[in-house]
Amino acid sequence: DQQVKQNSPSLSVQEGRISILNCDYTNSMFDYFLWYKKYPAEGPTFLISISSIKDKNEDGRFTVFLNKSAKHLSLHIVPSQPGDSAVYFCAAIPNTGNQFYFGTGTSLTVIP
Amino acid sequence: DTAVSQTPKYLVTQMGNDKSIKCEQNLGHDTMYWYKQDSKKFLKIMFSYNNKELIINETVPNRFSPKSPDKAHLNLHINSLELGDSAVYFCASSQGWSGNQPQHFGDGTRLSIL
Repeated sequence: DQQVKQNSPSLSVQEGRISILNCDYTNSMFDYFLWYKKYPAEGPTFLISISSIKDKNEDGRFTVFLNKSAKHLSLHIVPSQPGDSAVYFCAAIPNTGNQFYFGTGTSLTVIP
Repeated sequence: DTAVSQTPKYLVTQMGNDKSIKCEQNLGHDTMYWYKQDSKKFLKIMFSYNNKELIINETVPNRFSPKSPDKAHLNLHINSLELGDSAVYFCASSQGWSGNQPQHFGDGTRLSIL
């Protein structure tokens, strides 16, 4: 039973444009959400997070939006750069513990 | 300096063998994890240790046994390897137990069972 879903396995975007990666979840007990970035043959690295008490968090070119009523979050990258090409994982944590639930990832390709 | 390091990076072995994967973190974190990424790229937690104590033990065959000799190490021993064990195994660590501490991952160990 997958509680965090990323329904788009891949996304291609032109350099300089906006990349929007989406994530849906089913568990209303999740209260913290994170995005990780993963290059081939490396482990995921933390990118940005958001608490459920917020609806937006911004860090440079990366912004995460949270819509709790829709149980949906998205990661915006603007402007997209070729170095952003990687797999992006969405993760969520319930308020009951530190178990991370990961989505299956979206492979982003930024075309120069 | 690598923050979370796993060895070996690749492991190819035959069905029925016993193997171990080692993990070490130099971040001073007190919580460590093992994840399995299967062929569908789904990252699923297997175990979590906090201060050398087992906290999370998901539904994992008892052929898998984690061992934490100290806070900086969490090794994974697998007995009687099966074809379905082929996957990438990631070790991770975090500071504390609270949900807002990002995990730091190793680069993974790709296990292939022949």
